[in-house]
Amino acid sequence: EIVLTQSPGTLSLSPGERATLSCRASQSISSSYLAWYQQKPGQAPRLLIYGASSRATGIPDRFSGSGSGTDFTLTISGLEPEDFAVYYCQQYSNSRTFGQGTKVEIK
Amino acid sequence: EVQLVESGGGLVQPGGSLRLSCAASGFTFSRYEMNWVRQAPGEGLEWVSYISSSGNNIYHADSVKGRFTISRDNAKNSQYLQMNSLRAEDTAIYYCARSEGFWDPFDIWGQGTTVTVSS
Repeated sequence: EIVLTQSPGTLSLSPGERATLSCRASQSISSSYLAWYQQKPGQAPRLLIYGASSRATGIPDRFSGSGSGTDFTLTISGLEPEDFAVYYCQQYSNSRTFGQGTKVEIK
Repeated sequence: EVQLVESGGGLVQPGGSLRLSCAASGFTFSRYEMNWVRQAPGEGLEWVSYISSSGNNIYHADSVKGRFTISRDNAKNSQYLQMNSLRAEDTAIYYCARSEGFWDPFDIWGQGTTVTVSS
């Protein structure tokens, strides 16, 4: 099983600041089968990024993904009030596993 | 509108059974692969089960293998999760999620249905 480790656990930032979230895999993820999801309290997750760097339909361009192999990053270039949420990475290269999540909270 | 709606959750005793349903609308259900994902209270996401568009290929997480069974009825635009021998650790919100293919992410999610296993 591929284990995904996200860091940091919590990120405290102010609106307008840049957020950088990390996702590290226990083994290489082939063909960059890595996705990022956003989840707000009481809501289902929403797909943000797939294939490590492609934005899903309707996702603003302030969200960007990068990385390959075992190291991946989600960047939010300027935090909007609605971006404060929990973010999960997921690999779908070998079965499916999720990271434990990074909470982005208002500082 | 593309939509997934789960139902069938509730309170069940340890060792009991429950059948979850997921009704799809707004898209051609038979062309998509389907999944179940769960989230224990205050915890992260855990993939549970996958079924191919035809229903011929099925995979379950090790944590539920032998106890849970995923199925689908394309004529009814629905998928199901039969859960037997339930344990306290199965307590979670269960989400239905769509993917275009086996090598694709989950692009549409339902709102979830809550399963509580407790005596």
